[in-house]
Amino acid sequence: KQEVTQIPAALSVPEGENLVLNCSFTDSAIYNLQWFRQDPGKGLTSLLLIQSSQREQTSGRLNASLDKSSGRSTLYIAASQPGDSATYLCAVYTGGGNKLTFGTGTQLKVEL
Amino acid sequence: GAVVSQHPSWVICKSGTSVKIECRSLDFQATTMFWYRQFPKQSLMLMATSNEGSKATYEQGVEKDKFLINHASLTLSTLTVTSAHPEDSSFYICSARGRSNEKLFFGSGTQLSVL
Repeated sequence: KQEVTQIPAALSVPEGENLVLNCSFTDSAIYNLQWFRQDPGKGLTSLLLIQSSQREQTSGRLNASLDKSSGRSTLYIAASQPGDSATYLCAVYTGGGNKLTFGTGTQLKVEL
Repeated sequence: GAVVSQHPSWVICKSGTSVKIECRSLDFQATTMFWYRQFPKQSLMLMATSNEGSKATYEQGVEKDKFLINHASLTLSTLTVTSAHPEDSSFYICSARGRSNEKLFFGSGTQLSVL
């Protein structure tokens, strides 16, 4: 059974700091990996999708890497802003892409 | 990007009533839709997967008769919580994927509170 863990569970940083969120998964036979952001009481916003054959994806201040063999992904946020405050979830696709298992989430707070 | 609309965004109901939540893909045909629930401060848990025109596949521990899923068209899936009880209070989110999409697109979620 695939298990996805995110560390840290919560993080508070001053504005402008670069930060790294970690995601690990137990079964390396994944199809894709996706990072999401969730604002309180709201749905999910997709940030980055990394296919199993890729090593990283970038979008603006976000960079996600994937090391399938070691079962790890990281989300790097550059020059953090208060608007980045949210819960960040990673999720892995297995079963040919039909099953999505979510991580436990990292709650990020960026302070002024 | 693709848009998934989920309605209602929040609902309060009395114990014993049924609640229907709709999930629509607005600009693509959703061949597969997924329903999740999320308890406070916990991650999303997959409840069921539905393919258009066929019966939903439920995850272990999810009661089929309590959480009725209908995916009658390529743009609409519904989740009905039958005879809701306070322990069903949760945040429910749907997601959808089209034929050529690898990404999942998510609805905005429904906060259900059962009194």
